[in-house]
Amino acid sequence: AQSVSQHNHHVILSEAASLELGCNYSYGGTVNLFWYVQYPGQHLQLLLKYFSGDPLVKGIKGFEAEFIKSKFSFNLRKPSVQWSDTAEYFCAVGKFSGSARQLTFGSGTQLTVLP
Amino acid sequence: NAGVTQTPKFQVLKTGQSMTLQCAQDMNHEYMSWYRQDPGMGLRLIHYSVGAGITDQGEVPNGYNVSRSTTEDFPLRLLSAAPSQTSVYFCASRAGSYLGDEKLFFGSGTQLSVL
Repeated sequence: AQSVSQHNHHVILSEAASLELGCNYSYGGTVNLFWYVQYPGQHLQLLLKYFSGDPLVKGIKGFEAEFIKSKFSFNLRKPSVQWSDTAEYFCAVGKFSGSARQLTFGSGTQLTVLP
Repeated sequence: NAGVTQTPKFQVLKTGQSMTLQCAQDMNHEYMSWYRQDPGMGLRLIHYSVGAGITDQGEVPNGYNVSRSTTEDFPLRLLSAAPSQTSVYFCASRAGSYLGDEKLFFGSGTQLSVL
């Protein structure tokens, strides 16, 4: 079955530690890739996206992600996390289905950053 | 602009009751959708619409109805609520239905409990 996998369900880091959250997908063909973030009590917001071109994409708040087509991966990274990065992070894959391009989300990774 | 507005924010229902979750956007977006968010399962697409008068099923449509009589509004109806429908519901919209790199704008969510 086509799916989006986020292997880390809960990650706990201290401030200034480096972050890498894994995301793998099993779709074939052309896909668009996204990372969304949900801060406590807020709705989902787009962090970054990959559509085409440079596989290393930079998003807001110092986040970046690298698309590795051969590995079907789109891992999220940040060199130095802050307490304010505590949130739930969702990887999503965009692919045409039905009458529109749909997003399929992974199960999410809860990041807790300790001060 | 208000963006995507969802009401109510919280709702408790008894099994068998019906209700409508409201969603409105003021961005003249073509595409609107409903997701449910459950722990460990990420967001799953319930129904979506690519324009007024056009709706289609997503991944988990059973037990839900939608309609799109105007561009702005996309209500989600629970016909006979069941405990399995206890979840957080998000409405989301984006400008187009076919382009891959457009971001989704999410509402603030409705937390629904079915007893």
